[in-house]
Amino acid sequence: GENVEQHPSTLSVQEGDSAVIKCTYSDSASNYFPWYKQELGKRPQLIIDIRSNVGEKKDQRIAVTLNKTAKHFSLHITETQPEDSAVYFCAATFGNEKLTFGTGTRLTIIP
Amino acid sequence: DTAVSQTPKYLVTQMGNDKSIKCEQNLGHDTMYWYKQDSKKFLKIMFSYNNKELIINETVPNRFSPKSPDKAHLNLHINSLELGDSAVYFCASSQRASSYEQYFGPGTRLTVT
Repeated sequence: GENVEQHPSTLSVQEGDSAVIKCTYSDSASNYFPWYKQELGKRPQLIIDIRSNVGEKKDQRIAVTLNKTAKHFSLHITETQPEDSAVYFCAATFGNEKLTFGTGTRLTIIP
Repeated sequence: DTAVSQTPKYLVTQMGNDKSIKCEQNLGHDTMYWYKQDSKKFLKIMFSYNNKELIINETVPNRFSPKSPDKAHLNLHINSLELGDSAVYFCASSQRASSYEQYFGPGTRLTVT
């Protein structure tokens, strides 16, 4: 069935260090993998996405890597800052119509 | 210039009541969604409409009924509210179904007492 597993559920890193969040998906036909950031009390917002024909994508301090063979993708945040503290969700498309979200990672940046 | 708006922002009601949440998007998107986010922050899709047509209907009690009068609006009506319905409900829209960025509304925090 449709499943997206996300790890870890919580992550604390020192300011300036890197953070990595990993997700695996079940459907080999999935072709779109976005990452959303949700600050406390706010709406989820897209921060980066990747499609299945690309292995890596970078946007300033944020990067996403995709391994289609292993069916996993990861979010990398470098030089973390206090404003990076939030809940991060990975997601994957299923059946070309539905986006299934992972269970979320609460990232805390320690000043 | 709000992209996706929802009303109300907060809704406190008693068990057994019927309530509605309204959503509007001014992005010209074809697809709209309702998500439920529980206290553990899990985001679960409930419904999706594409050009006013229902395309996703997850395992949701039939007390929940979405309605899309036009492609810019997607409302959610909930009958006979239960304690377990307490959550934040997010509306979202995207240019087309699934493989496009979804823009979320601000959320409606529903509390059933």
